[in-house]
Amino acid sequence: DGGITQSPKYLFRKEGQNVTLSCEQNLNHDAMYWYRQDPGQGLRLIYYSQIVNDFQKGDIAEGYSVSREKKESFPLTVTSAQKNPTAFYLCASSISGTGNTIYFGEGSWLTVV
Amino acid sequence: QKEVEQNSGPLSVPEGAIASLNCTYSDRGSQSFFWYRQYSGKSPELIMSIYSNGDKEDGRFTAQLNKASQYVSLLIRDSQPSDSATYLCAVNVGGGATNKLIFGTGTLLAVQP
Repeated sequence: DGGITQSPKYLFRKEGQNVTLSCEQNLNHDAMYWYRQDPGQGLRLIYYSQIVNDFQKGDIAEGYSVSREKKESFPLTVTSAQKNPTAFYLCASSISGTGNTIYFGEGSWLTVV
Repeated sequence: QKEVEQNSGPLSVPEGAIASLNCTYSDRGSQSFFWYRQYSGKSPELIMSIYSNGDKEDGRFTAQLNKASQYVSLLIRDSQPSDSATYLCAVNVGGGATNKLIFGTGTLLAVQP
């Protein structure tokens, strides 16, 4: 089936550790995105990539890093520099070009313990 | 800072009534607008997109757009308990080849049986 696959669905991290969230899509979309959602809040854009080997910071990029080596994959690393990493992380993708619908994966829950 | 504003609710309506959800945005250059539904603990799913001033209907859902007033709304007719969810308004603030959505904080809708 076509779609966006995020893994793991649930992840626990100790303070000071880096973790990487996986995002893979088989929709042949050029653009991919990472959003963060805190309880009772809207979605905030972390990073986005419109094409392979290129990405831009969103509104809350500090403490995060990404790579876009393949069209299908856009992993997000939550570094120890991110002060409040506990959140729901959503990967998304779309056809390139402004105005196109963005589709979401099922999300990953990250909890710092 | 480009913003999208929504009343957080909860908006409570009886089953069978019309639910009216509203959204305002700050970027006067935005040209595309989206409504997503998000059930608790799940990822957002697209309900409707709208690009032109006026109304757009899809089944029980009607999206309304007024670019002059920078206002988008979503009407849900014959509301059902299964419509109970958070509704996120999203506005495209990219341009040209860049597809970038910013989201409101969402309105929680509760449909009472």
